[in-house]
Amino acid sequence: GAGVSQSPRYKVAKRGQDVALRCDPISGHVSLFWYQQALGQGPEFLTYFQNEAQLDKSGLPSDRFFAERPEGSVSTLKIQRTQQEDSAVYLCAVSGANTGELFFGEGSRLTVL
Amino acid sequence: KQEVTQIPAALSVPEGENLVLNCSFTDSAIYNLQWFRQDPGKGLTSLLLIQSSQREQTSGRLNASLDKSSGRSTLYIAASQPGDSATYLCAPKGVGGGTSYGKLTFGQGTILTVHP
Repeated sequence: GAGVSQSPRYKVAKRGQDVALRCDPISGHVSLFWYQQALGQGPEFLTYFQNEAQLDKSGLPSDRFFAERPEGSVSTLKIQRTQQEDSAVYLCAVSGANTGELFFGEGSRLTVL
Repeated sequence: KQEVTQIPAALSVPEGENLVLNCSFTDSAIYNLQWFRQDPGKGLTSLLLIQSSQREQTSGRLNASLDKSSGRSTLYIAASQPGDSATYLCAPKGVGGGTSYGKLTFGQGTILTVHP
């Protein structure tokens, strides 16, 4: 939706490995969000960027989670020393400038063994 | 902290029925509210966006209403079809930062199955 590409679509990691998930908005969007969706649950907010500035990271579950958007376009969510409880779908979303409507990518499904 | 509840959790109906999905939220200070559908293994598709000043929005067979003061929104689906089978999520957006910012808080969704 609205040109948000996420990669990889699926990632299997062994416990303790580091992973990096990428979000690439196809057209320029000021606002970018990351959400985490556990199985059978609604998505939960992780972090918010306005251009390259990370204005809210209050939803990041621990200091093992880190997100960046260095040039205000592509964003990367990094999870260090993955744990089984990190298994979830990680969704990236961008906001329409005029209405505030959010458009989501297909998500990256992370499975930690 | 905003809390969102969706009722029913699951719904199974025959094709052709008109449906009502309910969403309630605890904090009425919202900027807008979005309804999404999610197909298995997929991301979220935006269905309708209602601004806080609006009472309802319509798109095709879908109609969403918003009663901000009572913390409720309803998604009405007319003449349901098997292709409507999906999980439906509502998400009010908090105030603060206006258009760009404001976190969405999601309910757990209603799993809808429409059988032929």
